Amino acid sequence: GAVVSQHPSRVICKSGTSVKIECRSLDFQATTMFWYRQFPKKSLMLMATSNEGSKATYEQGVEKDKFLINHASLTLSTLTVTSAHPEDSSFYICSARDPWGSGSYEQYFGPGTRLTVT
Amino acid sequence: AQSVTQLGSHVSVSEGALVLLRCNYSSSVPPYLFWYVQYPNQGLQLLLKYTSAATLVKGINGFEAEFKKSETSFHLTKPSAHMSDAAEYFCDVSDLTGKLIFGQGTELSVKP
Repeated sequence: GAVVSQHPSRVICKSGTSVKIECRSLDFQATTMFWYRQFPKKSLMLMATSNEGSKATYEQGVEKDKFLINHASLTLSTLTVTSAHPEDSSFYICSARDPWGSGSYEQYFGPGTRLTVT
Repeated sequence: AQSVTQLGSHVSVSEGALVLLRCNYSSSVPPYLFWYVQYPNQGLQLLLKYTSAATLVKGINGFEAEFKKSETSFHLTKPSAHMSDAAEYFCDVSDLTGKLIFGQGTELSVKP
């Protein structure tokens, strides 16, 4: 099956710094990737849809200047949390769609990145 | 707008007992429906999906789900629970843009 990786799996950063999270599709090309945020004991909240070669589409209420998304290639999307604050601490998960697969809108999820801002 | 409702945020069963996790969807067009499982501190793994090919869908780990249009339901079942089934389960529907609309999740506990 299609595999999506995320790096790092865990990161701790100081308040005010920026941190970058990478999402890679390992064995397929993903024109569309998605970034989610998950709070403890909660469902996933879609933050933005990342399209290769174009600007990301952000969901309502998500600050695009704070959560910078870049999808420069068909296998890599990055999420940069800028000027991080403790309230940005969360579990961030990416997913990717294989447009040439038989997935019928199926998304393949990465293992997630635990961000802790101190 | 499409939505998904999972009935019961927490379900507890005994090992060997039937697992039933309920999901109802709201959709004006035939949807694509999914069940994903999430183990602690991990991403999501696809259990099964409905894409209109068959109403009874068999997935991994012995799970299956039946699409019932008349009831707008897509409940997840497994005849006999294992301890390893303890996890969070999400029912999702895909909208026409390919976005997944998530249910609120159901935490399954399995007692020995």
